Amino acid sequence: DTEVTQTPKHLVMGMTNKKSLKCEQHMGHRAMYWYKQKAKKPPELMFVYSYEKLSINESVPSRFSPECPNSSLLNLHLHALQPEDSALYLCASSRDGGGDTEAFFGQGTRLTVV
Amino acid sequence: GENVEQHPSTLSVQEGDSAVIKCTYSDSASNYFPWYKQELGKGPQLIIDIRSNVGEKKDQRIAVTLNKTAKHFSLHITETQPEDSAVYFCAASRGSNDYKLSFGAGTTVTVRA
Repeated sequence: DTEVTQTPKHLVMGMTNKKSLKCEQHMGHRAMYWYKQKAKKPPELMFVYSYEKLSINESVPSRFSPECPNSSLLNLHLHALQPEDSALYLCASSRDGGGDTEAFFGQGTRLTVV
Repeated sequence: GENVEQHPSTLSVQEGDSAVIKCTYSDSASNYFPWYKQELGKGPQLIIDIRSNVGEKKDQRIAVTLNKTAKHFSLHITETQPEDSAVYFCAASRGSNDYKLSFGAGTTVTVRA
């Protein structure tokens, strides 16, 4: 199984809502990532978890809150988002946190903030 | 930080022809260079990668070359097929000491039947 599974695939939320994005992998990978991708742009790194500890936060606003309950799961909690936060949110995992190991991406959650 | 430039931004080729995408990087400490393919509605997928101790790598119709001196690397796709139509991203990282992949801006490849 070389899949990274993200749910939901699509999400529409109001600016006062609280929602969560979920990501799961069963490849035994110890590093997991959240990326944000705007249309026609490359992915932008948001957070990195290595061995279930947050190791990188790329100065992401606090309205995005990551959580890694165990080595297979990664969540992104959303609160009080702005319309400009609408984007494709990608989860990825790799064997370890080294930048030279293959990163496997999920298909993303298409988020629309209204 | 690392800056990766990618050209061209769009590329249209006739089926069966070759496609070439070029990237340059700025950080001489970068030593890992993956290429990702992103199809519509999907996440990026690694198609080939190269490390700085190798000058060229090939996998069937796909090849990547690396020139460390000039700090550029290229993706070559031969005998293009309609299913090669996608957005391609190059990336660079410092390898095991750095979690971060710095991506190029992407190239939209269209293969005309």
